[in-house]
Amino acid sequence: AQTVTQSQPEMSVQEAETVTLSCTYDTSESDYYLFWYKQPPSRQMILVIRQEAYKQQNATENRFSVNFQKAAKSFSLKISDSQLGDAAMYFCAYRSDRGDYGGSQGNLIFGKGTKLSVKP
Amino acid sequence: NAGVTQTPKFRVLKTGQSMTLLCAQDMNHEYMYWYRQDPGMGLRLIHYSVGEGTTAKGEVPDGYNVSRLKKQNFLLGLESAAPSQTSVYFCASRDPTGRYEQYFGPGTRLTVT
Repeated sequence: AQTVTQSQPEMSVQEAETVTLSCTYDTSESDYYLFWYKQPPSRQMILVIRQEAYKQQNATENRFSVNFQKAAKSFSLKISDSQLGDAAMYFCAYRSDRGDYGGSQGNLIFGKGTKLSVKP
Repeated sequence: NAGVTQTPKFRVLKTGQSMTLLCAQDMNHEYMYWYRQDPGMGLRLIHYSVGEGTTAKGEVPDGYNVSRLKKQNFLLGLESAAPSQTSVYFCASRDPTGRYEQYFGPGTRLTVT
């Protein structure tokens, strides 16, 4: 079974600085997707960024980028120029790409989350 | 286009009471999911559905039942609530022809006393 581990329960960053959140995962599959979700105090789950395992190029979305190391099964999130609005819980998630007929049905497997605080 | 909505947003139950959480989506998605989120934990899958009239168990299905009578709705039922079911419940939907994300509802905070 696949597992997702976030080893940093809490992180803190100064406004305008850069912070990296860690995520490792365990899988025997070769095709999958990885996601970072943001959960602000409103509880809404917001997709931040996604990475397809077959792509070597790291995904980037504005101030958010990932460092995807497939062999090491590592998927870290870098937030540049941190803003007060970035303060939230961040969840790393895994989704199999065995296909919707392979038994996974697109279920997401989540890590336990990292609480990010941003200091003004 | 409201996306995924959940009713109610908050609820307090006494042990042994029953209730149903409603999830509705207006994106014509085939797949729908129910997750629970507990403190210090990520979201864990309770049940899911790959289409109208179908349901399947997820990681933590005990104590819950689900129904998908209409494509746009996915109901989560608690027949006899227990304090261990105090949690935040999220519904999500996904288009299986789309390769990526699930769309989440705003969550329901349930407290069982």
